[in-house]
Amino acid sequence: SYILAQPPSVSVAPGQTARLSCGGDNIATKSVHWYRQRPGQAPELVVSNGSDRPYGIPDRFYGSKSGNTATLTISRVEAGDEAVYYCQVWDVSRDHLKVFFGGGTQLTAL
Amino acid sequence: EVQVVESGGGLVQPGGSLRLSCAASGFTFSSYWMSWVRQAPGKGLEWVATIKEDGSEKYYVDSVKGRFTLSKDNAKNSVYLQMNNLRGEDTAVYYCARGRFGGQQPASPWGQGTRVTVSS
Repeated sequence: SYILAQPPSVSVAPGQTARLSCGGDNIATKSVHWYRQRPGQAPELVVSNGSDRPYGIPDRFYGSKSGNTATLTISRVEAGDEAVYYCQVWDVSRDHLKVFFGGGTQLTAL
Repeated sequence: EVQVVESGGGLVQPGGSLRLSCAASGFTFSSYWMSWVRQAPGKGLEWVATIKEDGSEKYYVDSVKGRFTLSKDNAKNSVYLQMNNLRGEDTAVYYCARGRFGGQQPASPWGQGTRVTVSS
């Protein structure tokens, strides 16, 4: 099993920068993906493989990682960014595949 | 438009069975892995299962091994999750997603989910 630790909540004022952390053993060596889940909606990929953004996700969303921490940085936070954000990694080899999620961070725009 | 749509959820008694379906459209279904993730009420996300493009490889979280079976029908652009011997802890919204959560196929998009309630 691989544990991903996320703070339960982060609050920032609109227009400021939010930094959401995701801690895991040597996570910098792994591909990290980030999803957001707005209230009452399905999760949505916002950053993949560390720093790639799907079509439609603005460049205000940026992923990075170093050592045991991955970070999703959201600049110029808007009210519409309020959501729970989950980090995710996978463990894959020739005979197994396992997917791990962090517990999620609730982002609030004060 | 690329999309996946789940169906088949409902209320089932402990020990019962349910078959979830996921219909895909807008992309070459046979070229993609497909996955299921669930979310218990008020909780976070839990990966459930993933199936390879041609259905030849299937992977499950330990808690559902031997009870859940994933299958893929590329002719019908659909993936199915057969759930047997259901338990209360299987109660959740089940999401279908295109991809295998890594490599060149991160999970996107996700469907809106189908709710499964296991209760007597």
